[in-house]
Amino acid sequence: EPEVTQTPSHQVTQMGQEVILRCVPISNHLYFYWYRQILGQKVEFLVSFYNNEISEKSEIFDDQFSVERPDGSNFTLKIRSTKLEDSAMYFCASRNTGGPWETQYFGPGTRLLVL
Amino acid sequence: QQQVKQSPQSLIVQKGGISIINCAYENTAFDYFPWYQQFPGKGPALLIAIRPDVSEKKEGRFTISFNKSAKQFSLHIMDSQPGDSATYFCAPSAWTGANNLFFGTGTRLTVIP
Repeated sequence: EPEVTQTPSHQVTQMGQEVILRCVPISNHLYFYWYRQILGQKVEFLVSFYNNEISEKSEIFDDQFSVERPDGSNFTLKIRSTKLEDSAMYFCASRNTGGPWETQYFGPGTRLLVL
Repeated sequence: QQQVKQSPQSLIVQKGGISIINCAYENTAFDYFPWYQQFPGKGPALLIAIRPDVSEKKEGRFTISFNKSAKQFSLHIMDSQPGDSATYFCAPSAWTGANNLFFGTGTRLTVIP
């Protein structure tokens, strides 16, 4: 069964450093998302991406964040200058079509720890 | 208006019992009402979802009940099993194009053998 994959599974970085989180969505999917989950809290929407541009973004997704689909298979989230409060689990998700009742499939997540 | 509230925060049920988790939302534009299941160290996975034009949907031991006027929907797990022990999130969305999910606060379910 096709699945969303994410790398790395864990990332430790120093405050102020740049990190890139990578995702490979399900191959025929068209909509891509990043969510994050701070330890013990709910999953929060960051950004959605369609047709090589951002569709929607939340208040969390400020200028320190960017997304890219560099090669038609990977979908990346870059945090330019990490802060302590960026420590969280980051989930990538993808969806096939734009229909209202299509399932979003989540990857296993990348646990980011900012020291 | 995007607030989604879940209750209870945690739930302990005996094996074979019924688990009930509730979700209340404010945004009347929501038109897709899924429940996601998350095991420790894993990403959320869709468990069951309902459209707003029906009041109940059943898939095996899992049932969603939807009350549009009250802006609430609930998950019922019949004959709860230890393997059901996980965190459950309601995550409604609105068909605005991107359909990003608005996750509830989560319910940690523990099923005691």
